[in-house]
Amino acid sequence: GAGVSQSPSNKVTEKGKDVELRCDPISGHTALYWYRQSLGQGLEFLIYFQGNSAPDKSGLPSDRFSAERTGGSVSTLTIQRTQQEDSAVYLCASSSGGVNQPQHFGDGTRLSIL
Amino acid sequence: GENVEQHPSTLSVQEGDSAVIKCTYSDSASNYFPWYKQELGKGPQLIIDIRSNVGEKKDQRIAVTLNKTAKHFSLHITETQPEDSAVYFCAASQAGYSTLTFGKGTMLLVSP
Repeated sequence: GAGVSQSPSNKVTEKGKDVELRCDPISGHTALYWYRQSLGQGLEFLIYFQGNSAPDKSGLPSDRFSAERTGGSVSTLTIQRTQQEDSAVYLCASSSGGVNQPQHFGDGTRLSIL
Repeated sequence: GENVEQHPSTLSVQEGDSAVIKCTYSDSASNYFPWYKQELGKGPQLIIDIRSNVGEKKDQRIAVTLNKTAKHFSLHITETQPEDSAVYFCAASQAGYSTLTFGKGTMLLVSP
């Protein structure tokens, strides 16, 4: 079946602009995660959605970052007033929900801030 | 919070050799340890995982071992092939939580 789908695959924008990144999880998966991967680094947790529960936003680096998940499926990560340090690959993952279920990743959005 | 250290950062082997990547974690409450393989331009792909109620798990040429007392776990790849070349990440998840803490990755290069 279809895996996790992310769009766009690449995004180049000017410093100060807002960007929106989209994630379509695997059908039926109730849990959705956003991670950030900077060049040569591991993955950094950003935010986690599980069903209708309040999201875990503990990994968001600043109030310029926000995310929403509409209808329990598609999620959008928004970065306002982008800075050069926001340049990274933003990865989305989904799982069947519950604790410690395998997370399946999309191929990410490569964000470059000029 | 959890901290995961991964070694080595790069590993070069000849085709057919074995490769071992090691990770340590800080929180003794962690109980789920997945390994991911990431190829250039792709997202991480889950290759094997282990839970704290077992000490070893195998899947063909790949195996993972877990030492809860020492708080470390390792990935073993036998009979390496050029297509095993990629960046490998270990991760840990604390009991009762779903988010993963990742190591910084190991770039594995398998030469023909």
